[in-house]
Amino acid sequence: EDQVTQSPEALRLQEGESSSLNCSYTVSGLRGLFWYRQDPGKGPEFLFTLYSAGEEKEKERLKATLTKKESFLHITAPKPEDSATYLCASRGDQGGKLIFGQGTELSVKP
Amino acid sequence: DTEVTQTPKHLVMGMTNKKSLKCEQHMGHRAMYWYKQKAKKPPELMFVYSYEKLSINESVPSRFSPECPNSSLLNLHLHALQPEDSALYLCASSQTATNEKLFFGSGTQLSVL
Repeated sequence: EDQVTQSPEALRLQEGESSSLNCSYTVSGLRGLFWYRQDPGKGPEFLFTLYSAGEEKEKERLKATLTKKESFLHITAPKPEDSATYLCASRGDQGGKLIFGQGTELSVKP
Repeated sequence: DTEVTQTPKHLVMGMTNKKSLKCEQHMGHRAMYWYKQKAKKPPELMFVYSYEKLSINESVPSRFSPECPNSSLLNLHLHALQPEDSALYLCASSQTATNEKLFFGSGTQLSVL
């Protein structure tokens, strides 16, 4: 069965303190690994799609990487406005359904 | 236009009411989705429409009835809901229902009294 597990559940950082969020996945025939950001009471906002091991993508202070079993979302010198829940999701070749992890709630204090 | 628009933003209804949630996109996407999200939980898939036909129903109770009038519109009709159905209901769309990214709307926060 396809599965996505994110860690940690919650992460508190000081402004400027870099860190990484982890997403472990088991999926039959990966068709995409997705990262979303979600603010309270809002819909998820698309950040990145990764398709194959070794792939990396960057956007401002965020960088997403992918191995055969995990994806990492690296946050460099975070700011308070980066506070949000970050969701990882995978899509495999069995039905194409998007499988979400439980999310990591990031809080960045000034 | 890269938006998925949902109305209303908030809805309070009694258990005997009938209401509808609406979703619209003008990106030419041919797949549209309904998700349900409880607080501090990930979105849960409810329904998928592909080329205006229902392709996935995740065993959702019949008190939720989806409708796709055309390729830009998606409705969710609600009837005789229970308090445990209170949640954020999210609409999403993608180019097709395979491996493209999903664009989500801001959701409808539903409270069932």
